[in-house]
Amino acid sequence: AQSVTQLDSQVPVFEEAPVELRCNYSSSVSVYLFWYVQYPNQGLQLLLKYLSGSTLVESINGFEAEFNKSQTSFHLRKPSVHISDTAEYFCAVNTGGFKTIFGAGTRLFVKA
Amino acid sequence: GAGVSQSPSNKVTEKGKDVELRCDPISGHTALYWYRQSLGQGLEFLIYFQGNSAPDKSGLPSDRFSAERTGGSVSTLTIQRTQQEDSAVYLCASSLGINNEQFFGPGTRLTVL
Repeated sequence: AQSVTQLDSQVPVFEEAPVELRCNYSSSVSVYLFWYVQYPNQGLQLLLKYLSGSTLVESINGFEAEFNKSQTSFHLRKPSVHISDTAEYFCAVNTGGFKTIFGAGTRLFVKA
Repeated sequence: GAGVSQSPSNKVTEKGKDVELRCDPISGHTALYWYRQSLGQGLEFLIYFQGNSAPDKSGLPSDRFSAERTGGSVSTLTIQRTQQEDSAVYLCASSLGINNEQFFGPGTRLTVL
């Protein structure tokens, strides 16, 4: 069965510092991987996704994630965070069917 | 165009009452999902609709939960005889199909007293 583990429930970080939000998954078949973001008082929205091809995927606001098959990970990184990046981030995995499994979420709190 | 909408945004009810939550997906999206988001937990899959196919109800936590999708568009999630543990945010999402990005609604926050 698929599962997704987000290793940190909360990550406090100072503005302009780098950040990494960790995500590990378990699956015996090929996977599609997603990061969704939920800003305060807003709905979830897709941040970036890996379906195939290059293992490094990027978002329009400077986040990137790398699919590492050997480590079954899809960590999310940003070299310099902004106050506006404060949000909850969800990692999700899909194995080609209709069901997408979401992690418990990581709350990123950017401090001035 | 319009995104996924859900109503009501907040619902407070008494234990034992029935509630109905509504979801209007993006026009043209054939897939519709219901999730439950509890504090400190991830999104729990409840049910999935794809076109006119029979829904997959494997995620529904008990027989008090049911959902329907009329005309391949609007969906209603019904919880009968609500319990306090049903308190959560119920999210609806729609997509063009599997492996496509899911577009989420703002959710309905259900509080069972």
